[in-house]
Amino acid sequence: ELKVEQNPLFLSMQEGKNYTIYCNYSTTSDRLYWYRQDPGKSLESLFVLLSNGAVKQEGRLMASLDTKARLSTLHITAAVHDLSATYFCAVDNDDDYKLSFGAGTTVTVRA
Amino acid sequence: EAGVAQSPRYKIIEKRQSVAFWCNPISGHATLYWYQQILGQGPKLLIQFQNNGVVDDSQLPKDRFSAERLKGVDSTLKIQPAKLEDSAVYLCASSLNWRGGDNQPQHFGDGTRLSIL
Repeated sequence: ELKVEQNPLFLSMQEGKNYTIYCNYSTTSDRLYWYRQDPGKSLESLFVLLSNGAVKQEGRLMASLDTKARLSTLHITAAVHDLSATYFCAVDNDDDYKLSFGAGTTVTVRA
Repeated sequence: EAGVAQSPRYKIIEKRQSVAFWCNPISGHATLYWYQQILGQGPKLLIQFQNNGVVDDSQLPKDRFSAERLKGVDSTLKIQPAKLEDSAVYLCASSLNWRGGDNQPQHFGDGTRLSIL
């Protein structure tokens, strides 16, 4: 069974500082997804990473994938209040393409 | 492009009652998923359809949960009878097809928040 672990589970950020969320997974896969979820809302797709070394950036967020280490990172540059949300990583299983989610990282950005 | 539509948004029932949720996927999306998201956890896949056929239902508690996708478009998920541990948000998602990829991330609806008393 594919296991996906995120850390930290909770992250209190100070505005203007940089932070990283880590996502480890247990079996081989080269498809990893990052989603954002606001309270009471659905999951919004942020990034799709499809190969080793893939890097994608959107605004203050940058995601990367190292399939050899089975690790993805979501880097936040100069945090702002609008980034407060829960961030999930999810990994496709190579065998059946089922998506397994991490537990999520709840981010709170304070002034 | 219209997103994934779900209804109702909220439902409160007593244990042992039955409940049904409805989902309308993005037009043209062949694959439809139902997830259960318990508070504080990531979504867990319950069932996956490709058109109107079931691809995977290995994590669906079949003694109480059922789902169908007639005509390969809309889908309903039913729980009968409900248990306290079924309190969760039920998310529907759709994608172009089931093999994932850059143009095929799963798109999620707003979910149905189910509370069992």
